Amino acid sequence: QSALTQPASVSGSPGQSITISCTGTSSDVGGYNYVSWYQQHPGKAPKLMIYEVSNRPSGVSNRFSGSKSGNTASLTISGLQAEDEADYYCSSYTSSSTSFGTGTKVTVL
Amino acid sequence: QVTLRESGPALVKPTQTLTLTCTFSGFSLSTSGMCVSWIRQPPGKALEWLARIDWDDDKYYSTSLKTRLTISKDTSKNQVVLTMTNMDPVDTATYYCARARGITGTLFDYWGQGTLVTVSS
Repeated sequence: QSALTQPASVSGSPGQSITISCTGTSSDVGGYNYVSWYQQHPGKAPKLMIYEVSNRPSGVSNRFSGSKSGNTASLTISGLQAEDEADYYCSSYTSSSTSFGTGTKVTVL
Repeated sequence: QVTLRESGPALVKPTQTLTLTCTFSGFSLSTSGMCVSWIRQPPGKALEWLARIDWDDDKYYSTSLKTRLTISKDTSKNQVVLTMTNMDPVDTATYYCARARGITGTLFDYWGQGTLVTVSS
């Protein structure tokens, strides 16, 4: 399985909206609606933020939303807050395994 | 309350075999649909999925590491064990176990805190 492509960094000011892309192929992102997004603060374990493209687990803020078009999935964070500063990873099902994205560092200016 | 905890050596020498244990609570790996995966993260780098074991003992491995990995479970002890042979310095990473569910076993909803494994002579 190959790594999914994410931008290395995205930044925004408090209150703004940002979008992180996750590009794969028809064998992973484009072929299945099993894309997840994880937030990881420094020194911590990843936390599930979005699953199955656009579903939020209980307890995750509705400021986080997910979507997909073709081979590219996206995570949008609206009303950016200081606590959103972290690394974000996408993942996708592919051929009985899982591919993770290259990771995106979100900076709140 | 679901919890997972990884345990194993912090330091291994090149060519040695690494054995990691994931001890979990709050769910049973004999329940249909439950899975446990191992995922690693080299310092400053991205996550990498390694292996998964399902409630029915089906096992799946990373294509690139398949020849070096073995995953097993002890349902009575609520443990999942991962062995990785022929360790190399590039295998230095934090190793996480995570509960996975869903029909594809790719929804990692609970994670352990991770254990850092350094490969060095």
